[in-house]
Amino acid sequence: DVKVTQSSRYLVKRTGEKVFLECVQDMDHENMFWYRQDPGLGLRLIYFSYDVKMKEKGDIPEGYSVSREKKERFSLILESASTNQTSMYLCASSSLGQTYEQYFGPGTRLTVT
Amino acid sequence: AQSVTQLDSQVPVFEEAPVELRCNYSSSVSVYLFWYVQYPNQGLQLLLKYLSGSTLVESINGFEAEFNKSQTSFHLRKPSVHISDTAEYFCAVSDKGVGAQKLVFGQGTRLTINP
Repeated sequence: DVKVTQSSRYLVKRTGEKVFLECVQDMDHENMFWYRQDPGLGLRLIYFSYDVKMKEKGDIPEGYSVSREKKERFSLILESASTNQTSMYLCASSSLGQTYEQYFGPGTRLTVT
Repeated sequence: AQSVTQLDSQVPVFEEAPVELRCNYSSSVSVYLFWYVQYPNQGLQLLLKYLSGSTLVESINGFEAEFNKSQTSFHLRKPSVHISDTAEYFCAVSDKGVGAQKLVFGQGTRLTINP
């Protein structure tokens, strides 16, 4: 079974802090994604990566950056956390050229105070 | 640009009753369509998908969805729901071709099953 793990289930940070959210997948998938999930808005794509060191902006990249130094790991960085970044963050991975199925991690609920 | 609209944010039904969760999409190109389910305190998991061929697709736990190109819809149905179907359901669309790895999700529909 594909497994996507995220470093924390719950995280509380203060405004202005630098925040790292880590995601690791164990199926050698080429593609990795970061979404945020908010009630009534569904999932919105922040960034995605289709290869090591490659990244593309999604629909809401402002205030975020990403890093993919190894194929299995994709990090989301909040350079200076703000209260409007309080949300559920979901990581996903998929295999290039397959059936477009994305496999999701359990999510990190981030609260910025 | 693609978009997905799930017409109902919440759907309460009684156990063993039928249910339909509605999904409409807009896209200027051919698409793949998906339904994902999120059980409480879990990540999303794929429920079913339409890539090509038969427009009626089924899941292993009794859900089905029909791709209707003329109405740009992909509604999800189950003839008899169970308490364990309580979850949030997301419809998603992806363009065929270049950039097809990305999914655009709808707002989600929370399905609540009452005994």
